[in-house]
Amino acid sequence: GAGVSQTPSNKVTEKGKYVELRCDPISGHTALYWYRQSLGQGPEFLIYFQGTGAADDSGLPNDRFFAVRPEGSVSTLKIQRTERGDSAVYLCASSLGQGSGNTEAFFGQGTRLTVV
Amino acid sequence: GESVGLHLPTLSVQEGDNSIINCAYSNSASDYFIWYKQESGKGPQFIIDIRSNMDKRQGQRVTVLLNKTVKHLSLQIAATQPGDSAVYFCAEITGKLIFGQGTTLQVKP
Repeated sequence: GAGVSQTPSNKVTEKGKYVELRCDPISGHTALYWYRQSLGQGPEFLIYFQGTGAADDSGLPNDRFFAVRPEGSVSTLKIQRTERGDSAVYLCASSLGQGSGNTEAFFGQGTRLTVV
Repeated sequence: GESVGLHLPTLSVQEGDNSIINCAYSNSASDYFIWYKQESGKGPQFIIDIRSNMDKRQGQRVTVLLNKTVKHLSLQIAATQPGDSAVYFCAEITGKLIFGQGTTLQVKP
């Protein structure tokens, strides 16, 4: 497809389990962002990739959260030992990246994570 | 520090009226300011951006104003339509893209 794709759309997991959330960005977009959004709040920045490397991971809340983008395209957000407070919608976005002069970031539909 | 926030959580307007959504920011080093629209169950959608060296930019039915003196950003929507009902976020780019808390726009028929 032409847009950003996130899978799964919904994920229910038990407290303490490990989860992986996947993001397929728009082809050719070098920048990729992960956000977390709780109900009634704005998207909270987690991590930003420029190509394969994490340009800024200052938003990751703790060491249970980790993200990779090994080939500069698909990215996976990994959460270990999930806690109920991790429940939120996780959004992924991609853009042409800094230097392109184009700021438009395209968002996926998000993955709704529920930790029970 | 980095902080982008909005003045009002909810704005209710009559269909056909103009809407003005406001935002305050704190980081003077931001390169761009952007408005996003988010409908229920969907990811944010880009509306318009403005570079930090500009004070006004117009799009289709939307205008963004940037006042760097008071660190204020606004989005004006002309002839508001029911389809404009959504949550609107201001955001800024300083390396990364940072969002504010959002204003819910309700359009009354």
